[in-house]
Amino acid sequence: DAKTTQPPSMDCAEGRAANLPCNHSTISGNEYVYWYRQIHSQGPQYIIHGLKNNETNEMASLIITEDRKSSTLILPHATLRDTAVYYCIGLGTGNQFYFGTGTSLTVIP
Amino acid sequence: GAVVSQHPSWVICKSGTSVKIECRSLDFQATTMFWYRQFPKQSLMLMATSNEGSKATYEQGVEKDKFLINHASLTLSTLTVTSAHPEDSSFYICSALVGGASYNSPLHFGNGTRLTVT
Repeated sequence: DAKTTQPPSMDCAEGRAANLPCNHSTISGNEYVYWYRQIHSQGPQYIIHGLKNNETNEMASLIITEDRKSSTLILPHATLRDTAVYYCIGLGTGNQFYFGTGTSLTVIP
Repeated sequence: GAVVSQHPSWVICKSGTSVKIECRSLDFQATTMFWYRQFPKQSLMLMATSNEGSKATYEQGVEKDKFLINHASLTLSTLTVTSAHPEDSSFYICSALVGGASYNSPLHFGNGTRLTVT
């Protein structure tokens, strides 16, 4: 199982890009990197995932380093509604998603 | 697509009673569902993996006789908290795997059930 490490909290100005880092040095070659976020008192929301190439969707971009030991989630234009806890997930055998402590992102007006 | 519905969204029960929480995949079939618990200001903790038609696999330290999981169909899994006590008060969240067992399959989550035991 890939153990992930994230900073506990970050601030970002509204309208600016939010860059959320994650270290996953124990990830194996066929494990994808997943990102989710959780807004208070709701279930986690899927954002994006990738294997080794950079990925982009309507919500965010995911940059994975060449050695796959770390990744960065980029919210290109953060809004107040992006305030949430962001989780970088280590995928276990049997597809069990083990959540780490996550990064609490606060978007500041 | 990939909507997971959880019911009820909140429930209050008296100590010693049992509570059942339902998790449904609305627009897809889910061979595997997962149950999580989350205490205030903490991360999600995986409780068990629920496979349709077979016994659930519980994480270490989770009491299988207290948290009964049934996954009788490809669209429904239930978690029953038996003989609930105040320390069982928590936010319970289910999730379902779309697309079968694959590292390239995201989990989709329900909106959780807030259980308060008085």
